[in-house]
Amino acid sequence: GAVVSQHPSRVICKSGTSVKIECRSLDFQATTMFWYRQFPKQSLMLMATSNEGSKATYEQGVEKDKFLINHASLTLSTLTVTSAHPEDSSFYICSAPITLNYGYTFGSGTRLTVV
Amino acid sequence: GENVEQHPSTLSVQEGDSAVIKCTYSDSASNYFPWYKQELGKRPQLIIDIRSNVGEKKDQRIAVTLNKTAKHFSLHITETQPEDSAVYFCAASPRNTGNQFYFGTGTSLTVIP
Repeated sequence: GAVVSQHPSRVICKSGTSVKIECRSLDFQATTMFWYRQFPKQSLMLMATSNEGSKATYEQGVEKDKFLINHASLTLSTLTVTSAHPEDSSFYICSAPITLNYGYTFGSGTRLTVV
Repeated sequence: GENVEQHPSTLSVQEGDSAVIKCTYSDSASNYFPWYKQELGKRPQLIIDIRSNVGEKKDQRIAVTLNKTAKHFSLHITETQPEDSAVYFCAASPRNTGNQFYFGTGTSLTVIP
């Protein structure tokens, strides 16, 4: 079945540094990738939608200059957390549609800890 | 935009009993309602979904009902087992937003052996 590979699964970084998270569609073309953030014991909050070859669309309240999203090809979307701070520590997860309308697959998530 | 509310936030049931989780949504344009099960630190797994043209769907011990008029949908798990313990999320997908999901706040289900 359709798989999205997400890396890294865990990352610890120092405040002020940047972290890149990658999501690759392994056996299908992902023209769209949704990026979610999940704080402990909370729901998945949609951050942004990336589309191959165009600018990402950010949800209200999400800083586009802090969370850089690039969708360079039909199989790769990246999220870069720039100048990370402890409050950016969270579980980040990507999701891609796999059928024309409704099917989705999620990446395995990235646990980011900023110290 | 779409607003999805989910209740209860926590639910404990005895093994073998039934569990019911309810969600409401605000956007009448939403037409797809999936339910996900998420174990700690892992990706959400789709367990069942329903589209707006049906009122009920069942898959073994799991069923989902949808009331479009009232804008609410529910997950029903019968004969619960300890391995059903997880966090469950409902979601709604508005027709006009490129198939984005808006998730409920989650229900932590504990099945007591």
